[in-house]
Amino acid sequence: DAGVTQSPTHLIKTRGQQVTLRCSPKSGHDTVSWYQQALGQGPQFIFQYYEEEERQRGNFPDRFSGHQYPNYSSELNVNALLLGDSALYLCASSFSGTSGGASTDTQYFGPGTRLTVL
Amino acid sequence: AQSVTQPDIHITVSEGASLELRCNYSYGATPYLFWYVQSPGQGLQLLLKYFSGDTLVQGIKGFEAEFKRSQSSFNLRKPSVHWSDAAEYFCAVGVIAGYKLIFGSGTRLLVRP
Repeated sequence: DAGVTQSPTHLIKTRGQQVTLRCSPKSGHDTVSWYQQALGQGPQFIFQYYEEEERQRGNFPDRFSGHQYPNYSSELNVNALLLGDSALYLCASSFSGTSGGASTDTQYFGPGTRLTVL
Repeated sequence: AQSVTQPDIHITVSEGASLELRCNYSYGATPYLFWYVQSPGQGLQLLLKYFSGDTLVQGIKGFEAEFKRSQSSFNLRKPSVHWSDAAEYFCAVGVIAGYKLIFGSGTRLLVRP
């Protein structure tokens, strides 16, 4: 049973560019959350997607946007990259079910994408 | 506002010694609490979780944690540390189960041979 997968593993961009990160959730999961982990810090919540809509958002600017596809996979897009966007980007999946309520399950994390902005 | 504090940035223990990592949370309602472990350059692996019920929870790799509501704490313990336990440990609180997680800043565990 495949766990959460993310691509690419590493990425190098320059300031002002745009980047797209991808995530495939664990089998049976329908909810995807994205986190940013700066060096030496704990992960910070960016947003969560369920039923192809953004369900919850953390304190991140509009430069950060996302998408969820019908197969539950998700993308994180960051526009106008800044040096401070350099971080490990983690995707986590969980199961919410058709009730649409809060998941009673746990978030399982992928290996992350290391983004470096020069 | 919800928050998680891990007061120890680094902890060094000898192999075979016992371990306790501290975690304090701030949250108005009954929290959903988690411990994750992260090896260098890797994602997060779930060690254990507390949703309700027995306040002493068992996890993988011989870890356990105890929820103490009166102290707003969820400390992680292991009776005998192995060299392979060297990693970064994160405590997290779920605002609502399955919704966003709020993480502490982590505790880096070093294991002395």
